[in-house]
Amino acid sequence: GAVVSQHPSWVICKSGTSVKIECRSLDFQATTMFWYRQFPKQSLMLMATSNEGSKATYEQGVEKDKFLINHASLTLSTLTVTSAHPEDSSFYICSASPTGRGQPQHFGDGTRLSIL
Amino acid sequence: GIQVEQSPPDLILQEGANSTLRCNFSDSVNNLQWFHQNPWGQLINLFYIPSGTKQNGRLSATTVATERYSLLYISSSQTTDSGVYFCAVRFNAGGTSYGKLTFGQGTILTVHP
Repeated sequence: GAVVSQHPSWVICKSGTSVKIECRSLDFQATTMFWYRQFPKQSLMLMATSNEGSKATYEQGVEKDKFLINHASLTLSTLTVTSAHPEDSSFYICSASPTGRGQPQHFGDGTRLSIL
Repeated sequence: GIQVEQSPPDLILQEGANSTLRCNFSDSVNNLQWFHQNPWGQLINLFYIPSGTKQNGRLSATTVATERYSLLYISSSQTTDSGVYFCAVRFNAGGTSYGKLTFGQGTILTVHP
């Protein structure tokens, strides 16, 4: 089946650091990938839609300058949390599906980000 | 507005019991998925079921798209079934965010031995 790989699984870093998270589709191509954020004991909320070869689409309330998204190829999207602060600590998870309608979304294992 | 509502929010069972989780959605959908999130945060894809009925072992799901709800059945529950169950849908009016899923708030299932 379709596999989405996300790296790293855990990140602990100091306030002010920028952190990059990678999302790869291992056995299919994805023109669109999605980035979600989940706070403790809450549901997943879509942050942005990553579009291969063009700008990402951000959901309302998500700072595009804080969360930089790059989708440079059909199998890789990256999310960079710039100048991270403790309030950015969260669980970040990406998803993708093979191109075409009627395809389920496949999720990475997520990245737990802790900013000290 | 567009909503996905899950019930019950919490469910506590004894091992061996059966349960039904419900997902209501406010508009027509072209994708509906059920997930189990384990304690490590991994989302396990249980069913891709925009309509109809599917079964996988002790789990089964039914989506009645015309009435805008889906049900997840867990039979003979085990302690390893504990965790959070999410329903997520892709509404037909996807606009520029084609393919994005909207998640319900989840059902927290606890199965005691």
